[in-house]
Amino acid sequence: DIQMTQSPSSLSASVGDRVTITCRASQSISSYLNWYQQKPGKAPKLLIYAASSLQSGVPSRFSGSGSGTDFTLTISSLQPEDFATYYCQQSYSTLLFTFGPGTKVDIK
Amino acid sequence: QVQLQESGPGLVKPSQTLSLTCTVSGGSISSGSYYWSWIRQPAGKGLEWIGRIYTSGSTNYNPSLKSRVTISVDTSKNQFSLKLSSVTAADTAVYYCARDRFGELAYWGQGTLVTVSS
Repeated sequence: DIQMTQSPSSLSASVGDRVTITCRASQSISSYLNWYQQKPGKAPKLLIYAASSLQSGVPSRFSGSGSGTDFTLTISSLQPEDFATYYCQQSYSTLLFTFGPGTKVDIK
Repeated sequence: QVQLQESGPGLVKPSQTLSLTCTVSGGSISSGSYYWSWIRQPAGKGLEWIGRIYTSGSTNYNPSLKSRVTISVDTSKNQFSLKLSSVTAADTAVYYCARDRFGELAYWGQGTLVTVSS
């Protein structure tokens, strides 16, 4: 199985801050990495697919980068509606998609 | 705009079978190169992919659940379904259905809470 880790597990930030979340895969997954945002009581929302492609309708302050085993999600200027939990997910192994444990972004 | 909606019992007894259905609207479940996935999330925890089905009937299951999971599709009703047998309290979770394109889950249902309890 491909294991996904994320760091940090949580962070506190202020509106306007630049935020970076890291995701690491236990083996190379090329660019088969997706990022989701989840707010309490809601379904996850796809933000970034294929490591760096912005999903339609997602604000351009979100960006993704990386390939192989190391990936990052960056929010260039944190907005009030961005306080949520963020998950990475590998789609390299079609036999078992796995998610990272999540990174909770809350208000400083 | 594609929409998905989960339905099924919110309470299941231990050792019984959990059965959920996902109804797809705003498009045919048979159109396009999409898989249809199930994902679950225990309260306060992360996301676990359960499995997926293509409209041809081809399936992929999480190996940790494979012995207990069956996912099926009914194209005439634009629905796909999940059955999870021999449930325990550890299967208590919010269950989501989602449209899967190359593993990218762009459309999700709102989720349905299933509690396993006697």
